[in-house]
Amino acid sequence: GDSVTQMEGPVTLSEEAFLTINCTYTATGYPSLFWYVQYPGEGLQLLLKATKADDKGSNKGFEATYRKETTSFHLEKGSVQVSDSAVYFCALKGSSGGGADGLTFGKGTHLIIQP
Amino acid sequence: DTAVSQTPKYLVTQMGNDKSIKCEQNLGHDTMYWYKQDSKKFLKIMFSYNNKELIINETVPNRFSPKSPDKAHLNLHINSLELGDSAVYFCASSQDGQTIYGYTFGSGTRLTVV
Repeated sequence: GDSVTQMEGPVTLSEEAFLTINCTYTATGYPSLFWYVQYPGEGLQLLLKATKADDKGSNKGFEATYRKETTSFHLEKGSVQVSDSAVYFCALKGSSGGGADGLTFGKGTHLIIQP
Repeated sequence: DTAVSQTPKYLVTQMGNDKSIKCEQNLGHDTMYWYKQDSKKFLKIMFSYNNKELIINETVPNRFSPKSPDKAHLNLHINSLELGDSAVYFCASSQDGQTIYGYTFGSGTRLTVV
């Protein structure tokens, strides 16, 4: 079945540091890939997405490129802020089956940014 | 205007009780989901409903039953609550087959069974 693997957290960085959160996936066909963010006490919000190979998703200074050759979708940001502290989830939607088969999530990476 | 709304936000109840969590979406989506997030933040899909039809039922105890009175609502009913049911439950919706906008999640219901 489909699966998503994320780097273990927590990841602790200083403000203005460069961020990379690794994500790799296993899926048949051509899945769509997502990053979701969960701020403390809140629900999940879509951060960015990519639906085909070599697509780059970007939002709020975050970027991720769909790399089919390495089955990866790493999240990056050039300069993090304290307000970026949250849990980040990599997710995929498989291309097989119908549209109602939900998302497969990674286990989440807790990011802590220190001033 | 809240796109996906869940009630209640917090729910504390005793073992053995029966409880329901309500979910409503005003996006016109035709598929709704329930996810469970455990204490380690791991998210797992429980159910999805498409046009009032159950599409997915993962390895979830039959004490959990989704109920969808119409396309805009998917409620989660839980019988005989157990300590292990304590978690955050998220409702979500999507337009079937459309991945452009991903899935829209509610803000979650934190269930604590004591």
